Amino acid sequence: QVQLVESGGGVVQPGTSLRLSCAASGFNFRNYGMHWVRQAPGKGLEWVAVFWSDGIKKHYLDSVKGRFTISRDNSNNMLYLQMNNLREEDTAVYYCARDLSYYADEFWGQGTKVTVSS
Amino acid sequence: QSALTQPPSASGSPGQSVTISCTGASSDVGGYNYVSWYQQHPGKAPKLMIYDVNKRPSGVPDRFSGSKSGNTASLTVSGLQAEDEADYYCTSFAGSNTLGVFGGGTKLTVL
Repeated sequence: QVQLVESGGGVVQPGTSLRLSCAASGFNFRNYGMHWVRQAPGKGLEWVAVFWSDGIKKHYLDSVKGRFTISRDNSNNMLYLQMNNLREEDTAVYYCARDLSYYADEFWGQGTKVTVSS
Repeated sequence: QSALTQPPSASGSPGQSVTISCTGASSDVGGYNYVSWYQQHPGKAPKLMIYDVNKRPSGVPDRFSGSKSGNTASLTVSGLQAEDEADYYCTSFAGSNTLGVFGGGTKLTVL
């Protein structure tokens, strides 16, 4: 069965870095687009970064461009989100998800919480 | 990356039908047949309910249906049940050179 397990969240100070990981299993990882979605406390969902199955195209939320980098290791079925220069507004639960169609994510991880606070 | 517009709340009694709208622009909802709807219960990950405007993933009851007219997509929940009470989010493809966008979410209350 498809499983996505995020890790790497935590409490950090503004300006620091974190790397989120998402371990995927139960499907042919390289064949699917993979996404990071976040949800700030009490707020709605927000696409953060997407990495399409072509292995080339990536897109980012405007507010994270230049600070966040999405990457994938198809050999080890891993998705990553490198987050640098974190801001308090990046505080959220971060989910990784696997696509079925464009922005139609059929499988989601349980989420990992990131808190940026001084 | 402008958010899609959803009503903040909707409600209906058990057994009734309720429709939630999602308004975008010709650059997203109106331009592509890639609108999805997610259901989210408190503290849980989102669940895909409708994709490509009107397709249901395996396991989603046929009480849930989607449609689109112009720049507005809609999610209809028929035969409302208590477990349908949740937040619902729409999202749309917005072109191959930019990120997709979510709506602000609609809290569905089953009275």
